[in-house]
Amino acid sequence: AQKVTQAQTEISVVEKEDVTLDCVYETRDTTYYLFWYKQPPSGELVFLIRRNSFDEQNEISGRYSWNFQKSTSSFNFTITASQVVDSAVYFCALSSYSGAGSYQLTFGKGTKLSVIP
Amino acid sequence: EPEVTQTPSHQVTQMGQEVILRCVPISNHLYFYWYRQILGQKVEFLVSFYNNEISEKSEIFDDQFSVERPDGSNFTLKIRSTKLEDSAMYFCASRLYNSPLHFGNGTRLTVT
Repeated sequence: AQKVTQAQTEISVVEKEDVTLDCVYETRDTTYYLFWYKQPPSGELVFLIRRNSFDEQNEISGRYSWNFQKSTSSFNFTITASQVVDSAVYFCALSSYSGAGSYQLTFGKGTKLSVIP
Repeated sequence: EPEVTQTPSHQVTQMGQEVILRCVPISNHLYFYWYRQILGQKVEFLVSFYNNEISEKSEIFDDQFSVERPDGSNFTLKIRSTKLEDSAMYFCASRLYNSPLHFGNGTRLTVT
């Protein structure tokens, strides 16, 4: 069975601080995908990133960066110089690498990030 | 950018009533999904749909639930006889081949 653990339930930071959201996963699959989604107060789910298990290269997109470490089964997400608009619940998720298959995502419980002005 | 559209944004229904949640996936997408999120909890997979049939479903997706793609553009989730515990945000999602899932904005279902 697959499992995603986001141990941080809530985090508060002051604007412009850096913040790292932790994600640890469990899977028996040798190939899989990892994701981060953002859920702002308005409720929609916004796709941020997908990584496949073949590729452990870290990724940076503007103020966002992701650190994938297969050895520790972690896929952490860092926001640099946080802004009030970053306030949201962030979900880490995992799916099997199913190609044309069902693509069932297993989500973590989410981390609520509050950025204080 | 194309979007997954869900209607209504909020639906209130009485326990025991049937409810249909509607979704218009992105037009060239092939795989369709419903997920739900009980307030304050994580997002859970309900069902996936491909080639006009269910490809996978979770334990949550019991006989009270059904999905349909009636006309090649809409994708619906029907709950036959709603229970209080069906109150949740329901998300529709779609994808093309190996692309990431694109989620709609969700329908908040409140069962009273």
